[in-house]
Amino acid sequence: EAQLLESGGGLVQPGGSLRLSCAASGFTFSGYAMSWVRQAPGKGLDWVSSISNSGDNTYYADSVKGRFTISRDNSKNTLFLQMNSLRAEDTAIYYCSKILSRSHSQIDHWGQGTLVTVSS
Amino acid sequence: QSVLTQPPSASGTPGQRVTISCSGSSSNIGSNAVTWYQQLPGTAPKLLMYNSNQRPSGVPDRLSGSKSGTSASLAISGLQSEDEADYYCATWDASLTGVVFGGGTKLTVL
Repeated sequence: EAQLLESGGGLVQPGGSLRLSCAASGFTFSGYAMSWVRQAPGKGLDWVSSISNSGDNTYYADSVKGRFTISRDNSKNTLFLQMNSLRAEDTAIYYCSKILSRSHSQIDHWGQGTLVTVSS
Repeated sequence: QSVLTQPPSASGTPGQRVTISCSGSSSNIGSNAVTWYQQLPGTAPKLLMYNSNQRPSGVPDRLSGSKSGTSASLAISGLQSEDEADYYCATWDASLTGVVFGGGTKLTVL
């Protein structure tokens, strides 16, 4: 069974940076695209970014383009999200997720999430 | 304002059939498969339906999905108390080059 364990969340001041990590196990990590999805307190799901299985192709929501960078290390079964120039509106639970198939909207496994709070 | 439009709430009594709609456009639902998720309070989302009408193993067959044109729907028959949750639709948007979610529908079992 696939397992995803996020880490790296916490409290950061506006304009600051954080790097989220997601340790994957239970499946062939290099065979699947991965994504980050966030959820602000009391709000709905919000796609942040996706990356192909090889890491060659990346996709970003307009709200984070130019500020966030998704990457992966297939040798260490780990997904990353580098978040720079953080804003209050980036405050959310960030979920690491495994994409089921070719369509990046089809997520079959989710981590438990890590909370990012942007506040002074 | 979400790209995909869902009703904010839905309700039904045990045993009833309820349907949750998801409306989009030609650049998203009109040209891509729809995915549905269920989210119980305080937990991560769970995949309910993919490719618009395919159920992952473990999802009961009283749940069904459909898509027509630029709209999709999730139907739950034989409503049970454990179905009380938030439901989200999602798909790929070719114009935005990204995944879009609906705003979510809170289902209440009366």
